[in-house]
Amino acid sequence: DIQMTQSPSSLSASVGDRVTITCRASQSISSYLNWYQQKPGKAPKLLIYAASSLQSGVPSRFSGSGSGTDFTLTISSLQPEDFATYYCQQSYSVFTFGPGTKVDIK
Amino acid sequence: EVQLVESGGGLVQPGGSLRLSCAASGFTFSSYWMSWVRQAPGKGLEWVANIKQDGSEKYYVDSVKGRFTISRDNAKNSLYLQMNSLRAEDTAVYYCARDLELRYYYYMDVWGKGTTVTVSS
Repeated sequence: DIQMTQSPSSLSASVGDRVTITCRASQSISSYLNWYQQKPGKAPKLLIYAASSLQSGVPSRFSGSGSGTDFTLTISSLQPEDFATYYCQQSYSVFTFGPGTKVDIK
Repeated sequence: EVQLVESGGGLVQPGGSLRLSCAASGFTFSSYWMSWVRQAPGKGLEWVANIKQDGSEKYYVDSVKGRFTISRDNAKNSLYLQMNSLRAEDTAVYYCARDLELRYYYYMDVWGKGTTVTVSS
């Protein structure tokens, strides 16, 4: 089974900050990596698929990169509505989610 | 409008059974893989199971194999999750999600709002 890890598990940031979240797979998953945003009490929302493709309707301040085992989600300028928990997900072999990274207000 | 609506959650005793349903609308349900994903209280997301368009392939996370069964009725645009031998650790919000495939890349692009399952005596 493919295991996913994320770092950090939480971070505090201010509006306008550049935020980077890292996701690592236990084996190479090529670019089979997706990113989701979840706000409290809400369903997850797809942000990035295939490691770097922006889902339709998602602001361009979100970007993804990486391949193999190491991936990054970057928010170029954090906005108030971006405070949420972010999950990576591998789709190389069925699906596995990472443990999540909570982004809150500094 | 593309929509997924889950139902069937509730309180059940350990060892009991429950059947979740997910009603799809606004898209051609029979053209998509579908998944169930759960989230225990205060915890992260866990993929539970998925099923191919015609029901011929099904996959499960190890922790539910032999206890849960995913199925679908394309004529009714509905997805199901039969949960047997329920345990306290199955307590979670259960989400139905559409699996989209693009050039062999799979991702979940549409989600329901979830239904809550509580396993407790």
